[in-house]
Amino acid sequence: AQTVTQSQPEMSVQEAETVTLSCTYDTSESDYYLFWYKQPPSRQMILVIRQEAYKQQNATENRFSVNFQKAAKSFSLKISDSQLGDAAMYFCAYRSGGEGGSEKLVFGKGTKLTVNP
Amino acid sequence: EAGVAQSPRYKIIEKRQSVAFWCNPISGHATLYWYQQILGQGPKLLIQFQNNGVVDDSQLPKDRFSAERLKGVDSTLKIQPAKLEDSAVYLCASSLSTIHEQYFGPGTRLTVT
Repeated sequence: AQTVTQSQPEMSVQEAETVTLSCTYDTSESDYYLFWYKQPPSRQMILVIRQEAYKQQNATENRFSVNFQKAAKSFSLKISDSQLGDAAMYFCAYRSGGEGGSEKLVFGKGTKLTVNP
Repeated sequence: EAGVAQSPRYKIIEKRQSVAFWCNPISGHATLYWYQQILGQGPKLLIQFQNNGVVDDSQLPKDRFSAERLKGVDSTLKIQPAKLEDSAVYLCASSLSTIHEQYFGPGTRLTVT
């Protein structure tokens, strides 16, 4: 079974600075997807960024980028120029990509990000 | 485009009582998911529907939980009887198909006393 580990329960960053959230995963599959989701307090979960395992290039979305190290099974999220609105729980998630695999998302326990003004 | 709707947003019940949650997915989304998110943890899939058929319910405690998706649109999740450990946020998500992005609803926060 696939597992996702987020080793940082909490992180904090100063506004306008850069922060990196860590995620490692365990799988024997070669075809899969990785995601970072953001869950603000009392608000719904939204997708921040996704990475296909077959792509070597790291995904980027505006101020958000990932460092995908397939061999190390590592998938970190970098937030540049942090803003107060970035404060939230961030979840790393895994999904199988191959035929016959489950398309369900497997989530880590999350990292609570605080942004200090 | 309207998002995933869920109701109620909050529910408090006593143990051994019954409770039901409702989810209305994004129009046209064939796949619907129910997740359980216990405080301090990431969401865990309970059940996945493709149209009105069950794709995965391997983590659904079937002795007390049930779910249905009539006509392949709205879905209800029921707990009967509830236990203290069922206290959690129940998230509904939908996607165009199993390979597309999942969109989450606001969740229902259940407290069992």
